[in-house]
Amino acid sequence: DVKVTQSSRYLVKRTGEKVFLECVQDMDHENMFWYRQDPGLGLRLIYFSYDVKMKEKGDIPEGYSVSREKKERFSLILESASTNQTSMYLCASSFRNYGYTFGSGTRLTVV
Amino acid sequence: DQQVKQNSPSLSVQEGRISILNCDYTNSMFDYFLWYKKYPAEGPTFLISISSIKDKNEDGRFTVFLNKSAKHLSLHIVPSQPGDSAVYFCAANGDGSSNTGKLIFGQGTTLQVKP
Repeated sequence: DVKVTQSSRYLVKRTGEKVFLECVQDMDHENMFWYRQDPGLGLRLIYFSYDVKMKEKGDIPEGYSVSREKKERFSLILESASTNQTSMYLCASSFRNYGYTFGSGTRLTVV
Repeated sequence: DQQVKQNSPSLSVQEGRISILNCDYTNSMFDYFLWYKKYPAEGPTFLISISSIKDKNEDGRFTVFLNKSAKHLSLHIVPSQPGDSAVYFCAANGDGSSNTGKLIFGQGTTLQVKP
């Protein structure tokens, strides 16, 4: 069974901390994505990557960065966490245009 | 600018009846549409999709209809079951002919099916 694994289900971090969210897929997909889900706003794209070491900004990249050193791993970095980054973070991967496989999500709370 | 819109934040139906979830889009270049279902504390899972060359796709209790002239699609669930209670997201392929597979999602509709 194909899988996208996010390293943490729940995280609580302090304002100003540097936060790393990890995502690993075992499907050899080229494309990987980071979204955040907030009530009433749906899923908003933060960053995506279509190849190793390649990255592109999504709709809301401010305050975030990403790293893709290996094909299977895509990391989201909150440079200095703020309370407005409290959210559900979802990682996904895809092969070309064939739709996404999502991870289970990480519920991040910044206090 | 919201290119994919789900204007109904919530919907409540009785078990056994039909659920109809709606989605509108603005970009005529979208050529592939998908519906995802999401339970609380889980990631979204793929439900059903439709290519722009079709106007209907059916999979068991789920049917998606596409009206390109109106830039509108809908998801029909018949009969609705309590286990269908979840958030449903409409999505469109946002990159046209590219291979990045980027999807643009609507805001989601929370469906509650009452026993």
